[in-house]
Amino acid sequence: NAGVTQTPKFRVLKTGQSMTLLCAQDMNHEYMYWYRQDPGMGLRLIHYSVGEGTTAKGEVPDGYNVSRLKKQNFLLGLESAAPSQTSVYFCASTEPGTSAYNEQFFGPGTRLTVL
Amino acid sequence: QKEVEQDPGPLSVPEGAIVSLNCTYSNSAFQYFMWYRQYSRKGPELLMYTYSSGNKEDGRFTAQVDKSSKYISLFIRDSQPSDSATYLCAMSDPFNKFYFGSGTKLNVKP
Repeated sequence: NAGVTQTPKFRVLKTGQSMTLLCAQDMNHEYMYWYRQDPGMGLRLIHYSVGEGTTAKGEVPDGYNVSRLKKQNFLLGLESAAPSQTSVYFCASTEPGTSAYNEQFFGPGTRLTVL
Repeated sequence: QKEVEQDPGPLSVPEGAIVSLNCTYSNSAFQYFMWYRQYSRKGPELLMYTYSSGNKEDGRFTAQVDKSSKYISLFIRDSQPSDSATYLCAMSDPFNKFYFGSGTKLNVKP
């Protein structure tokens, strides 16, 4: 039971390059999230998904695209990387619920540097 | 105005001290109130969560929520060097969206 895993752990890109970050969870969770964490900013929601085939914008979606083709995977894409996208990216997953609390589980993060 | 405000610190205390961490929020729809601990270069880990106003205790940790003032706190008693980390408050709305504070960096000196 690996929980939430992220690939890759580190990456350095040049401005204008593209890449895809992969998040995988083995807990059969419906909801998945992508956050970015910058110094002094906490975690900010980029995009999220409430189920296979669905995606929605979060607080800071510009410059990113996502796809949830399989329930266990949530991909985050950068089409044309910019230095402002240098950050640590965290994926998380949880089960939906309004009558009971469901913990949000986080992956270990991907450190991305855009030169 | 940000949905969740948290004093970024850093906070430096001697071992054994009582630590108080606080957050304020603006959205009355928030249902669950959480505290996460994040060690350097790691993902956040859930420490505690609460639902209603009042106190919830877990060992050396006490989470407090005051919905009327839109204020939450985390108290750490008998703080240990292993408690040194960044503490993030977070809240969730009825749609399972989570909102995080900016985090408070805590250093407990031996």
